[in-house]
Amino acid sequence: ETGVTQSPTHLIKTRGQQVTLRCSSQSGHNTVSWYQQALGQGPQFIFQYYREEENGRGNFPPRFSGLQFPNYSSELNVNALELDDSALYLCASSLRLPLGAGELFFGEGSRLTVL
Amino acid sequence: AQTVTQSQPEMSVQEAETVTLSCTYDTSENNYYLFWYKQPPSRQMILVIRQEAYKQQNATENRFSVNFQKAAKSFSLKISDSQLGDTAMYFCAFMKTGANNLFFGTGTRLTVIP
Repeated sequence: ETGVTQSPTHLIKTRGQQVTLRCSSQSGHNTVSWYQQALGQGPQFIFQYYREEENGRGNFPPRFSGLQFPNYSSELNVNALELDDSALYLCASSLRLPLGAGELFFGEGSRLTVL
Repeated sequence: AQTVTQSQPEMSVQEAETVTLSCTYDTSENNYYLFWYKQPPSRQMILVIRQEAYKQQNATENRFSVNFQKAAKSFSLKISDSQLGDTAMYFCAFMKTGANNLFFGTGTRLTVIP
């Protein structure tokens, strides 16, 4: 059973650029969530994907977008990068359960620095 | 809206001793889940323990236990027989039943001193 893997682990971009972060979910998991963790803060929910469709979104602007593929892997895209987008981006996979209390399995994150 | 507050930015404990991390939350929901996650330097969030709000009995997982006070909206984590590997950031988190996202606190950095 493979865990959640994210790539790249670190990257540096300049303001105004675009970035794509990738996530492979844990084997058998059909739901992927993305969180942004700014330095010294707890993670904040960006959005969740289930069966290739967005299934809930936090308070993030439209320049944050995502995709989920048939194999349940996912991408997070951020356009027009701003300095405040510098953060650790965490991907978490889970099994979709009616009660929504399925355990989340997190990856090690992608550390994005925007200069 | 849900908020989660962790008022202890940093704590330390001697190896083999017991430490308690505090968490309070605010919600108007009656059905929800509470979690404690551990984030070591490797950055990977790991679930430590989970509590269903409808259960009065406090959850326990080996050396980790919680004190869940629903009326007071308090959810503290007790770590017994602390080990060096317990050194990490600890996050308290809330999820409404049927929802799809967690609300996290700002974390407590725990250092276990040999």
